[in-house]
Amino acid sequence: EAQVTQNPRYLITVTGKKLTVTCSQNMNHEYMSWYRQDPGLGLRQIYYSMNVEVTDKGDVPEGYKVSRKEKRNFPLILESPSPNQTSLYFCASSPLGQGSYEQYFGPGTRLTVT
Amino acid sequence: GDSVTQMEGPVTLSEEAFLTINCTYTATGYPSLFWYVQYPGEGLQLLLKATKADDKGSNKGFEATYRKETTSFHLEKGSVQVSDSAVYFCAQGGAGSYQLTFGKGTKLSVIP
Repeated sequence: EAQVTQNPRYLITVTGKKLTVTCSQNMNHEYMSWYRQDPGLGLRQIYYSMNVEVTDKGDVPEGYKVSRKEKRNFPLILESPSPNQTSLYFCASSPLGQGSYEQYFGPGTRLTVT
Repeated sequence: GDSVTQMEGPVTLSEEAFLTINCTYTATGYPSLFWYVQYPGEGLQLLLKATKADDKGSNKGFEATYRKETTSFHLEKGSVQVSDSAVYFCAQGGAGSYQLTFGKGTKLSVIP
């Protein structure tokens, strides 16, 4: 089944404790992206990647890191999480060059930082 | 910059009522337009899309028409069901960029 998977689905952590949220897709998509969803703000893009070893900042990159060492994986790293990073996070992927710009989303990771 | 504005919710309708959720966009060029739906506890799913002016996207009884002259992409359904209760997001993308710009979402609740 074609899908985007994220782990963990739920995470409660403390301020300053480094964490990684994994994202993997099995559709051979070049483009991958991370969003955060907050009430009243909709979805905002954190980082994106056009292909392996190519990443770039989205609209709200502060406090986050990403890497793209393999085409299928795009982990989101919070080196020193803070309470304002409590949010619902979505990973998404898209094939390049097909002209539709449609993105496929993972199920989400709910992060709470205390 | 590019932006998407959609009507604020929440919207509560009775079953079989007519639904309209307004969406307008600002963009340079000619973006692709999307409606995504998020059911409780789940990720976003593409509901429908349109890639050029006057295109009509449709799926599951929902429709939206790409209106370039009014820069709008309003979502409509003739008869909603309880199972349509969800949050609906309008988004634009393309025109040279793979970044999607989302509206803030509209929560729809359908009561029996």
